[in-house]
Order: sequence, then structure tokens, then C-alpha cells
Amino acid sequence: NAGVTQTPKFRILKIGQSMTLQCAQDMNHNYMYWYRQDPGMGLKLIYYSVGAGITDKGEVPNGYNVSRSTTEDFPLRLELAAPSQTSVYFCASTGRVGDVTNEKLFFGSGTQLSVL
Amino acid sequence: EDQVTQSPEALRLQEGESSSLNCSYTVSGLRGLFWYRQDPGKGPEFLFTLYSAGEEKEKERLKATLTKKESFLHITAPKPEDSATYLCAVQARGGATNKLIFGTGTLLAVQP
Repeated sequence: NAGVTQTPKFRILKIGQSMTLQCAQDMNHNYMYWYRQDPGMGLKLIYYSVGAGITDKGEVPNGYNVSRSTTEDFPLRLELAAPSQTSVYFCASTGRVGDVTNEKLFFGSGTQLSVL
Repeated sequence: EDQVTQSPEALRLQEGESSSLNCSYTVSGLRGLFWYRQDPGKGPEFLFTLYSAGEEKEKERLKATLTKKESFLHITAPKPEDSATYLCAVQARGGATNKLIFGTGTLLAVQP
């Protein structure tokens, strides 16, 4: 199993450009999440999904969009990139919600994005 | 407001020198407290879940404990391979779908 796969690993964007960060998991997990990690800050939740066709906003959703057409894929779309979106982005998934003793997130290796 | 504070921000230890990392939290009813390890250039990796005061979990040289206000990650006789950033996160009771609030982490460096 590959787990959670994110592409690309690195990307530089110009202000105003758009791009999609890809995330795929092969563990048949229903729950998927997008976080961003900035230096000196904790991971912040951008969007999450509880299953195909169902998404919802997290703590910092402005400037981003998501879709979930399949169980496996959860892409994150940046429209009109801004310098404030320079960050490391992590996708995560979990298959169990409801029993906290067995809940754990599986993270991808991240996408480092710079907006210049 | 739910909040997680980790201390120290950075810690440098000699190999074999035991120490503890702290995670203080304020949350409107704790459902679970999670510890993750993050290596440079990688995503966080799950270590422990604690969900009731007094609970302890162990894994190799790591032991996590929980009180009503804080959690400690004790590292006994650390080795250089324990060097990483350790993240603490909490989930509030009544919170939906495993949304976590993360602390900023403690960067641990273990020197041989």
C-alpha cells in the first residue's frame, strides 16, 4: 500500500495563477483532510470530506476549493494564488471516526508551495 | 476558545539524557489527545491517543501521560534517531469528524 500520495512535492506559482494539489489514498478511507503548516504555527485545517460528494470548510478555507468525486481522491484547488498561501500543504485520511481509541490520521509527505 | 500550547519550542539532549515535552490544552470537553512525530520534509506520523486523565501509553523509549490540563511525552534514554518534531493535538467532545487542533510542536535534537 502506498498510503496517502501527494503531488507535486514542490511548486512555485506567480501571484494570480491557479493550481490543483493532488491527493490520493489507497486505504479505502472515507475521511480526508487538507491542512496547511506555516513556520511557528500549528497545522491548520483548510477543508475536509466525510465521503465522496461531501465536503465542508475547516478553519482557514478562504482562497481554496475542494471536490471529492471518488473515495480515493481529494484535490485542493488554489484560485488566484496570493503570497499568503505560501505554505506546506498536507493531505490526511482516516478510516475510523467514532471510536477515539482507534482514530489516527495518515498523512501524505506534503507539497511545498511558494507564491511569488 | 480551544487551544494547545507546547513547550519547550526546541530541546537539545545528549544521547541517553532523559527529558519530557509538555502539551497544555484548553478545550470544551476533551474527546482525545494525540501525539504525532514529524521528520523533516515528511508528514506527521501517529504515535499515541490518550482520552482520559491518568491514562498512559508507551512505545519503545516514549511514554505519554495525560492529566485534565496537560499531557507529557517522556523520552527515556533517547537516541539520535529520536530527533524530530513532536506534535500534540486535541479533539473537543462534540467536534465532528476528527477535526484536530494542533500545537506548534517541540523540535527535539538528540546528539550522539
